[in-house]
Amino acid sequence: NAGVTQTPKFRVLKTGQSMTLLCAQDMNHEYMYWYRQDPGMGLRLIHYSVGEGTTAKGEVPDGYNVSRLKKQNFLLGLESAAPSQTSVYFCASKKLADLYNEQFFGPGTRLTVL
Amino acid sequence: QKEVEQDPGPLSVPEGAIVSLNCTYSNSAFQYFMWYRQYSRKGPELLMYTYSSGNKEDGRFTAQVDKSSKYISLFIRDSQPSDSATYLCAMSGNFNKFYFGSGTKLNVKP
Repeated sequence: NAGVTQTPKFRVLKTGQSMTLLCAQDMNHEYMYWYRQDPGMGLRLIHYSVGEGTTAKGEVPDGYNVSRLKKQNFLLGLESAAPSQTSVYFCASKKLADLYNEQFFGPGTRLTVL
Repeated sequence: QKEVEQDPGPLSVPEGAIVSLNCTYSNSAFQYFMWYRQYSRKGPELLMYTYSSGNKEDGRFTAQVDKSSKYISLFIRDSQPSDSATYLCAMSGNFNKFYFGSGTKLNVKP
């Protein structure tokens, strides 16, 4: 049982390049989330999904797109990377009916945009 | 104004001290309150969960929620060096979206 995994762990991009971050969970969770974490800003929600085939915007969605084609996977895309997107990206998943409303986080992806 | 405000610290205390961490919020619709602990270069992990107002105790940790003041606290008794981490408060009005504080970095000195 791997929990939540993220690929890649590190990446350096040049301005204007595109990339996709992959999040996978093996807990059969309905909800999945993408956050970014910047110094002094805490975790900010980018996009989230309440089930396969559905996505919704969070606090800071501009410049990102997402897809949830399979229940276990949640993809985060950067079409044209900008230096302002340099951050640590965390994926999380959560069960629909959970007593403690607990999100399970992946280990993070450190992205640098030059 | 941010939805959730949290003092970033850092907070440095000697081993055995009582630690108090706090968050304030502006959205009166929040009813689910959580504290996450994040070790360096790791993802956050749920530490405490409280629904609505009141106190909740789990071992050395106590979470308090005062909805009338829009203020939540986490107390750590008999703090240990292994408690050194960043503590993030989080809150939600439903089961979908969560709002996190900026995190308080705690260092417990042996």
